Amino acid sequence: EVQLVESGGGLVKPGGSLRLSCAASGFTFNHAWMSWVRQAPGKGLEWVGRIKSKTSGGTTDYATPVKGRFIISRDDSKNTLYLQMNSLKTEDTAVYSCTWATGTTLAFEIWGQGTMVTVSS
Amino acid sequence: DIQMTQSPSSLSASVGDRVTITCRASQSITIYLNWYQQKLGKAPKLLISAASSLQNGVPSRFSGSGSGTDFTLTISSLQPEDFATYYCQQTYSTPWTFGQGTKVEIK
Repeated sequence: EVQLVESGGGLVKPGGSLRLSCAASGFTFNHAWMSWVRQAPGKGLEWVGRIKSKTSGGTTDYATPVKGRFIISRDDSKNTLYLQMNSLKTEDTAVYSCTWATGTTLAFEIWGQGTMVTVSS
Repeated sequence: DIQMTQSPSSLSASVGDRVTITCRASQSITIYLNWYQQKLGKAPKLLISAASSLQNGVPSRFSGSGSGTDFTLTISSLQPEDFATYYCQQTYSTPWTFGQGTKVEIK
């Protein structure tokens, strides 16, 4: 079964840091382009960033609000995706989900259940 | 950044109604347009990729069309399980962006 399971969410103070993990199973992770998406309470979906497979260069791209603060990385030996979040702001409060981008248009066919991050003093 | 604008933001419809949701991109995205359905408290579900390609297992009452800047998602006969929020997304160029969502409610 194809599965993505996030962990690492919690409560953090503004200016703090947090690292999220996403454990993948059931597919060839090292060939996969992966993304993080967030959803603030009661709001819509917001793309956070993407990492290509190493065979495609392993490069990352980020949404404007998180560029320079968030870092996406991957450990293909552990089938795990990471999101390092630094200089957190209250507006970063959201459920963070990892996704697998597949097909011609890199649609998000598989989603994790998400992990909640709350930034508050 | 490419802006994705959905309309309407919400709509009320009855079971059996034909429903159309539109999504407009701020520049051409060819067919790099995907549609998702999200029910309350659940992860989004991919319905349509590449503007019109229905995903396996998605009922045929869902269809997508368009290219360039203007796209539509149509539900030919609304069913009780279709009441949800629908999002379009462009993956033509980063940063990838979603529309703001269209909430389909029961009339």
